[in-house]
Amino acid sequence: KQEVTQIPAALSVPEGENLVLNCSFTDSAIYNLQWFRQDPGKGLTSLLLIQSSQREQTSGRLNASLDKSSGRSTLYIAASQPGDSATYLCAVTDSGGGADGLTFGKGTHLIIQP
Amino acid sequence: DVKVTQSSRYLVKRTGEKVFLECVQDMDHENMFWYRQDPGLGLRLIYFSYDVKMKEKGDIPEGYSVSREKKERFSLILESASTNQTSMYLCASSLWGQANYGYTFGSGTRLTVV
Repeated sequence: KQEVTQIPAALSVPEGENLVLNCSFTDSAIYNLQWFRQDPGKGLTSLLLIQSSQREQTSGRLNASLDKSSGRSTLYIAASQPGDSATYLCAVTDSGGGADGLTFGKGTHLIIQP
Repeated sequence: DVKVTQSSRYLVKRTGEKVFLECVQDMDHENMFWYRQDPGLGLRLIYFSYDVKMKEKGDIPEGYSVSREKKERFSLILESASTNQTSMYLCASSLWGQANYGYTFGSGTRLTVV
């Protein structure tokens, strides 16, 4: 059964730093990988999606990479801002059209200090 | 933008009540999902559906049922609510077989059973 691990569980850094969040998964036969952001008490907002055939995706200050063979993804946040404070979740869809649901990591709780 | 709408943000119900959580999506997605999210346990899949009147059990279906009478609507039913079902419930939808689309989540329903 697929397992997703996110390291670190929590991270607190001063504003302006570049940072990397890590995600690993045990079964490399994924369909795609998605990074989400969750603010306290709210739903999930999709940040980036990487298809299994892709190596990376970028959106603004965010860059996500995927190394399927080693079962790893990273989310790079450039020039962090206090508004980036949230929990970041990594999730994978196993091969098969994505109808079986996502397997989530437990998230990285990020605090950006002003 | 794809929208997934959950009918209630907050609900308080009594033990033993029958509870309905409603979810509606407006982008003709085939797949719909119900997750619950608990501190320390992350997001866990309760039930999912890949077509009207179809349903599949997820990882934690006990104590729940679902209904999908129309493509756009997926209901989660707590047959007899218990205090251990106090949680954040999240609905999601996705397109079948589209690796370049991800999952879209609703804003969540915080259910408290007293």
